[in-house]
Amino acid sequence: GESVGLHLPTLSVQEGDNSIINCAYSNSASDYFIWYKQESGKGPQFIIDIRSNMDKRQGQRVTVLLNKTVKHLSLQIAATQPGDSAVYFCAENLDGYALNFGKGTSLLVTP
Amino acid sequence: EAGVAQSPRYKIIEKRQSVAFWCNPISGHATLYWYQQILGQGPKLLIQFQNNGVVDDSQLPKDRFSAERLKGVDSTLKIQPAKLEDSAVYLCASSPQGRSYYGYTFGSGTRLTVV
Repeated sequence: GESVGLHLPTLSVQEGDNSIINCAYSNSASDYFIWYKQESGKGPQFIIDIRSNMDKRQGQRVTVLLNKTVKHLSLQIAATQPGDSAVYFCAENLDGYALNFGKGTSLLVTP
Repeated sequence: EAGVAQSPRYKIIEKRQSVAFWCNPISGHATLYWYQQILGQGPKLLIQFQNNGVVDDSQLPKDRFSAERLKGVDSTLKIQPAKLEDSAVYLCASSPQGRSYYGYTFGSGTRLTVV
């Protein structure tokens, strides 16, 4: 079936480097995407979102890129900090209601 | 603004026992969701309420899971009887309107361990 997935289950980066987390989706009808950060023992926390009529959206230290041609989504984190260590999920919006989540990428920031 | 409140934070039960989880959404949020998150996976939707009506419960194992949202505010999710594979974190989320464009907020979840 159609699903949202992630290319890499784990990512290790050095503090200060930029991080890129990738996500592939297969439902061409999805029109809204969200990146979430989940720390241990907490619920997912909203990071940034993007609608399908956009290619790029920037927030504070984060950028989301959407490539509809290849159905690919990425999250870029600039100057990664130890506090960025967490599991990151992309999620797609189906039918304007519930979210379909991928499996997540664990980001580990080393000093 | 207070967040989505869930209780208890942790629960350990034996298989075939019953358990209930409680969620209090953000004030004024019409839509409430229950998700199941198995270790190492992303959250999976179990049920969605719009006010006190069920919008989607297609992924809810209705032979053992039930949920209600009386008066369109608080919600409870129940499992009876529990199985080992029900061990997971149960997340509640709410949003002000039906479409997630207007922002989901998640609670911290209830971690259930079935032994």
